[in-house]
Amino acid sequence: GDSVTQMEGPVTLSEEAFLTINCTYTATGYPSLFWYVQYPGEGLQLLLKATKADDKGSNKGFEATYRKETTSFHLEKGSVQVSDSAVYFCALRTQGGSEKLVFGKGMKLTVNP
Amino acid sequence: DAGVTQSPTHLIKTRGQHVTLRCSPISGHKSVSWYQQVLGQGPQFIFQYYEKEERGRGNFPDRFSARQFPNYSSELNVNALLLGDSALYLCASSRRQGEDQPQHFGDGTRLSIL
Repeated sequence: GDSVTQMEGPVTLSEEAFLTINCTYTATGYPSLFWYVQYPGEGLQLLLKATKADDKGSNKGFEATYRKETTSFHLEKGSVQVSDSAVYFCALRTQGGSEKLVFGKGMKLTVNP
Repeated sequence: DAGVTQSPTHLIKTRGQHVTLRCSPISGHKSVSWYQQVLGQGPQFIFQYYEKEERGRGNFPDRFSARQFPNYSSELNVNALLLGDSALYLCASSRRQGEDQPQHFGDGTRLSIL
């Protein structure tokens, strides 16, 4: 079945450090790919998405590129802030049928000043 | 506009009881999905409803059921609660069925089973 594998952490970085969170997927067809962020005590917020190969999603300084050849969607940010501390989830949605999202296990990021 | 609202925010039950969780989608959204998020894990898909019909079901036992009302709000019911049902239950809504429709999540209901 469809699945998502991502770095699990937890990861602690200093402010202004570079961030990479790896995400790879297994799916039939051509899924849409997403990064969601979850702040403490809250639900999930869509951070960015990409719907086809070579698409780059970006938002709030975060970027991820849909790489079909490596089945990957790694999240990057050049300079993290304390406010980026949260749990990050990679997810996919397969074409057709329901709107089911398949999530990775999430990675907790803490950014220290 | 209000976001996705879920009630209650917290709930404590004992084994064997049943529970009903409620979700109001964003105004104009017709699709509602439910997810279970166990502590330390990613959310797991339970159900999706669109225009009051079930459009998807995850790998959960028959103790889990849901429905969608004419105003597009939804209920998730869980019978014969087990300790393992302790989790954050998330509701998500989207405008319509379609691959380019983003899903918006509520803050969830935290269910604890004693």
